[in-house]
Amino acid sequence: GAVVSQHPSWVICKSGTSVKIECRSLDFQATTMFWYRQFPKQSLMLMATSNEGSKATYEQGVEKDKFLINHASLTLSTLTVTSAHPEDSSFYICSAPQGASNQPQHFGDGTRLSIL
Amino acid sequence: GNSVTQMEGPVTLSEEAFLTINCTYTATGYPSLFWYVQYPGEGLQLLLKATKADDKGSNKGFEATYRKETTSFHLEKGSVQVSDSAVYFCALSREGSARQLTFGSGTQLTVLP
Repeated sequence: GAVVSQHPSWVICKSGTSVKIECRSLDFQATTMFWYRQFPKQSLMLMATSNEGSKATYEQGVEKDKFLINHASLTLSTLTVTSAHPEDSSFYICSAPQGASNQPQHFGDGTRLSIL
Repeated sequence: GNSVTQMEGPVTLSEEAFLTINCTYTATGYPSLFWYVQYPGEGLQLLLKATKADDKGSNKGFEATYRKETTSFHLEKGSVQVSDSAVYFCALSREGSARQLTFGSGTQLTVLP
């Protein structure tokens, strides 16, 4: 079964709305989680590293005020797309490593965000 | 910096055909290498991995060998099935870690019955 749960899986909303996406690690603690964005027929681009109890680390070119990340507990990270616009429409995927640093990450099933 | 170059798709094969998806990388040191698969509407699933030179990762009939001399990690399967239709991503992480991943552009595979 899934070890990383991502919710919602699909959301459609009007321009200007803020949307929150949750990423939960199931049965394990994740002090670090990663958020990726995937455009149609393209690869995943790392947006930010979510750190439990501290500020997220954003990749170059990613607006931190636009994509708010909160990692309030050892099993939950949230990504909030603030005042979303059509260009924010995309597939967002989170991942969480489990165990030693050389162990592969577990990915969520992704959230398809469509802004009208 | 690190980068992954992956064979462009889409790739369309008949069932039971042989599959090769090329992947080459640029990185310092000895990164770990991965193949992930993404089925429609889903997140990524780890298919196989290799952590050092000459390692062969294998899973579900897929194989890939870590070739340091050619900086390659090509994915192969001897006989594909319709259920293998998906997008395949080659990825690497920095030496000793599977944390921050650098992905290739992905290759769409369609297997026809």
